[in-house]
Amino acid sequence: DIQMTQSPSTLSASVGDRVTITCRASQSISSWLAWYQQKPGKAPNLLIYKASTLESGVPSRFTGSGSGTEFTLTITSLQPDDFATYYCQQYDTYRTFGQGTRVEI
Amino acid sequence: QVQLQESGPGLVKPSETLSLTCTVSGGSITSGDYYWSWIRQHPGKGLEWVGYMSNSGHTYYAPSLRGRVTISVDTSKNQFSLKVNSVTAADTAVYYCAREYQGGIFDPWGQGTLVTVSS
Repeated sequence: DIQMTQSPSTLSASVGDRVTITCRASQSISSWLAWYQQKPGKAPNLLIYKASTLESGVPSRFTGSGSGTEFTLTITSLQPDDFATYYCQQYDTYRTFGQGTRVEI
Repeated sequence: QVQLQESGPGLVKPSETLSLTCTVSGGSITSGDYYWSWIRQHPGKGLEWVGYMSNSGHTYYAPSLRGRVTISVDTSKNQFSLKVNSVTAADTAVYYCAREYQGGIFDPWGQGTLVTVSS
């Protein structure tokens, strides 16, 4: 199985901060990576797919980059609505999620 | 706009079968190049893909659950279903249904339903 490891597990930040979350795959997954945002009690919401393609309707302050085994999600100017948990997910072989990164105030 | 909604018992006894249904609205379950997936989330934990069924009837399950899981589609009702056999407390989770496209992108998702395995 392909393992996905996110870091950090928890991130403390303030409104306006630039935030970066890293996701590492245990083997190359090319660009077959998606990012989701999840708020408490809600289903995950797709932000980015194919490593760097922004889903329609998602604010441009979210950017994704990387290929192979290392990927990043960057939020350029953190907004109050962005405090949530973020998951990466590979879809190269089966589908596997990272353990999540909680972004807190 | 396609929407998904899970339904089913919230409590299942150990060793019994967990059965959930996902109703798709706003579009036909047979149209487009989509897979219909189940994903679960153990309380306070991360997400675990369970499996999918394609429009052509092809199924694929997570290796850790293969042998206990069945996904099926009822096109007449625009629904797809999940069955997990021989459940234990480890199957307690929020179960989400989702539409999958482009080989593994999940969107949209249902709101999720909590299933507790307990006697």
